[in-house]
Amino acid sequence: DVKVTQSSRYLVKRTGEKVFLECVQDMDHENMFWYRQDPGLGLRLIYFSYDVKMKEKGDIPEGYSVSREKKERFSLILESASTNQTSMYLCASETSSTDTQYFGPGTRLTVL
Amino acid sequence: DAKTTQPPSMDCAEGRAANLPCNHSTISGNEYVYWYRQIHSQGPQYIIHGLKNNETNEMASLIITEDRKSSTLILPHATLRDTAVYYCIVVYLGSARQLTFGSGTQLTVLP
Repeated sequence: DVKVTQSSRYLVKRTGEKVFLECVQDMDHENMFWYRQDPGLGLRLIYFSYDVKMKEKGDIPEGYSVSREKKERFSLILESASTNQTSMYLCASETSSTDTQYFGPGTRLTVL
Repeated sequence: DAKTTQPPSMDCAEGRAANLPCNHSTISGNEYVYWYRQIHSQGPQYIIHGLKNNETNEMASLIITEDRKSSTLILPHATLRDTAVYYCIVVYLGSARQLTFGSGTQLTVLP
């Protein structure tokens, strides 16, 4: 079974803090994604990566950056957390030969 | 991606089959039908996908009409753990792209 893990299920941070969210997949997938999910807004893509050290902006990249130094790990960084970044953050991965994305359990981030 | 329409909610008795419909009347020939579900406060879970033939796996069956304008996800023996929001989406098979979920169907399995 594909396994996608995220570093935390719940996280509480203060405004202005730098936040790191980590995602690890064990299936040697090329593509990895970071989404946020908010009530009434559905899934919104922040960034994705189709290879090590490669990244592409999604629909809402402002306030975020990413890092993919190893194939299995994709990190999302909030440079200076703000209250409007309180959300559920979901990581997903897929192999480039299919369009089936496998999701992690999510990190519910609260910024105070 | 083509739009899909699903009923907002459905109930199903435990142990019975749950049949979740989806309309995708503008689907194009190279778009797949995918189903995901999301249990409360968890990440979405892939269920099944298909192009034009019916598909079955250990979780569910997918029935796609001949004109491909609609499909039905069947959970043959629903359990309480199947209570979730079910999303039907159409996906163009190609390079990495984001998934766009609509509102989905809230399936509640009743004891």
